[in-house]
Amino acid sequence: TQLLEQSPQFLSIQEGENLTVYCNSSSVFSSLQWYRQEPGEGPVLLVTVVTGGEVKKLKRLTFQFGDARKDSSLHITAAQPGDTGLYLCAGAAGNQFYFGTGTSLTVIP
Amino acid sequence: DSGVTQTPKHLITATGQRVTLRCSPRSGDLSVYWYQQSLDQGLQFLIQYYNGEERAKGNILERFSAQQFPDLHSELNLSSLELGDSALYFCASSALGRGGGTDTQYFGPGTRLTVL
Repeated sequence: TQLLEQSPQFLSIQEGENLTVYCNSSSVFSSLQWYRQEPGEGPVLLVTVVTGGEVKKLKRLTFQFGDARKDSSLHITAAQPGDTGLYLCAGAAGNQFYFGTGTSLTVIP
Repeated sequence: DSGVTQTPKHLITATGQRVTLRCSPRSGDLSVYWYQQSLDQGLQFLIQYYNGEERAKGNILERFSAQQFPDLHSELNLSSLELGDSALYFCASSALGRGGGTDTQYFGPGTRLTVL
């Protein structure tokens, strides 16, 4: 059972373009995290959001947690080839941790 | 380098066999998590240990078991292996293993298991 659905599943864009990745659920989470995973490596944490409506910025990345704490988005401005990777959202509910379906991003130079 | 080490990096075995995957957490981290990543299921949480005790259990099959030792390293045992168990197995560690997902997890490089 996938509690967290991400869209799009695949995204291929040109360098310099903007993009948004969505993470949606019908469940409420106490916190939500975004990770990036590169081939052959484990996921690396990008950000944790804990408050409904919270917005966090990390250089060219903007993360938002939905007011109802059921969804989140990741917006990348002026994408660069180094942003290429698998982006995963993950939600915490109780003592369980659920990962999203993933968005594979390719940024073409 | 996250500081989490996993061995072996690759493992090829046959159906019905038993394997043990090993994880050493970052220095000072008390909590260890195990995950399975496959193409059809994505990244699935299996189990969490904190300072030697089981803290949370996810989608872990009865054929699988884990433990955390006094030196805080952890082992994931997979038995009666099936073709569908082929996947990447990740270990992650965190300092405190707090609930609510606020504790930062650091992932190891993974063990790729292939069951033939």
